[in-house]
Amino acid sequence: DTAVSQTPKYLVTQMGNDKSIKCEQNLGHDTMYWYKQDSKKFLKIMFSYNNKELIINETVPNRFSPKSPDKAHLNLHINSLELGDSAVYFCASSRKDIPYEQYFGPGTRLTVT
Amino acid sequence: AQSVTQLGSHVSVSEGALVLLRCNYSSSVPPYLFWYVQYPNQGLQLLLKYTTGATLVKGINGFEAEFKKSETSFHLTKPSAHMSDAAEYFCAVTPSGSARQLTFGSGTQLTVLP
Repeated sequence: DTAVSQTPKYLVTQMGNDKSIKCEQNLGHDTMYWYKQDSKKFLKIMFSYNNKELIINETVPNRFSPKSPDKAHLNLHINSLELGDSAVYFCASSRKDIPYEQYFGPGTRLTVT
Repeated sequence: AQSVTQLGSHVSVSEGALVLLRCNYSSSVPPYLFWYVQYPNQGLQLLLKYTTGATLVKGINGFEAEFKKSETSFHLTKPSAHMSDAAEYFCAVTPSGSARQLTFGSGTQLTVLP
């Protein structure tokens, strides 16, 4: 009964490929997020969805496209992968009324070769 | 705009010693402040938070932090380190209770020596 789960845990792929990372939360939260953690452990928000609606879209290349089929799922699709996309991607969720208390998934380590 | 500075990317303490991890913030409005912990190969977990009220806040695993407005600081402490405390610690800030965007510091890796 994992609260926030992500698949896959590890993803190794070549430049130019398209890949997706899936996220699911079973906490009943309305809001979900994608964060990118670079090699220096710096963590930066990419997107946030509230009840399937995009509410935060930071300066992220449009090769990255989040999709929320329902409020329990937020997937991240990445087109034309580049070396600089290598990072750990974290999904998180929160209640709508306590957005600052975020619950994080275990992360997906993406390596682009 | 908000920002967070964590002094010391690596801190080592002996088991049983005091843990002190430093965090300073910059915010144009009274901030909400947080400490998150990341154990190896895991996601971040909320350790403690300051929203309003008492400036000394207690979290899980014996950690506490004190909000000092005059010093714009929110340092994390634990009186006695345990081997299981070894992890990466992140300080974060958000401008209000309704804001969804957390701004994280660069993290401090805590090593506990036997």
